[in-house]
Amino acid sequence: AQSVTQPDIHITVSEGASLELRCNYSYGATPYLFWYVQSPGQGLQLLLKYFSGDTLVQGIKGFEAEFKRSQSSFNLRKPSVHWSDAAEYFCAVVPLKAAGNKLTFGGGTRVLVKP
Amino acid sequence: GAVVSQHPSWVICKSGTSVKIECRSLDFQATTMFWYRQFPKQSLMLMATSNEGSKATYEQGVEKDKFLINHASLTLSTLTVTSAHPEDSSFYICSARPPGLHNEQFFGPGTRLTVL
Repeated sequence: AQSVTQPDIHITVSEGASLELRCNYSYGATPYLFWYVQSPGQGLQLLLKYFSGDTLVQGIKGFEAEFKRSQSSFNLRKPSVHWSDAAEYFCAVVPLKAAGNKLTFGGGTRVLVKP
Repeated sequence: GAVVSQHPSWVICKSGTSVKIECRSLDFQATTMFWYRQFPKQSLMLMATSNEGSKATYEQGVEKDKFLINHASLTLSTLTVTSAHPEDSSFYICSARPPGLHNEQFFGPGTRLTVL
């Protein structure tokens, strides 16, 4: 079945430490890939996206993600976390040739930042 | 650019009443808007796709008579929760897709609905 999986429900990281959030997808062809962040009670903000080309994608707020076709993964990273990075992070895909170009979201990873 | 607003940001209503939520694209025209529902500590679930000038397309399991969607203009889509019940309490988020950007959506800030 086609799906997007975020294996980690919660991650706790110390401020200043590095962060990596995992995302795996299961689709016949590489879909369009996105990472969104949601602060409590807020809508979603796009961090970065991958459609094609360079597999290392730079986003806003110091985030980057690497697409690995062999692993069907699109993991999000940040070298040094700030307290303001505490939020919920969603990986999402738009399958190629999907009717209506609908986004499918992973289950989300909640990031807690320790001082 | 690409700002999407929602109104209201939160609403509390009595069981049995109807509630309308507005989604507006402020600086672009959106032929397609999407409505999502998010339960606490869960992911977003697509409810329906709203196309300007035509009927909305609902996802499987979503009651179209319960969740009425009207996309009357290129900048406004509305979601009306009819005869709301406590189980309809949720966070409702809309998104809008600018023309020409077939794979990107811009999200509104969400509306928290509480049905007493």
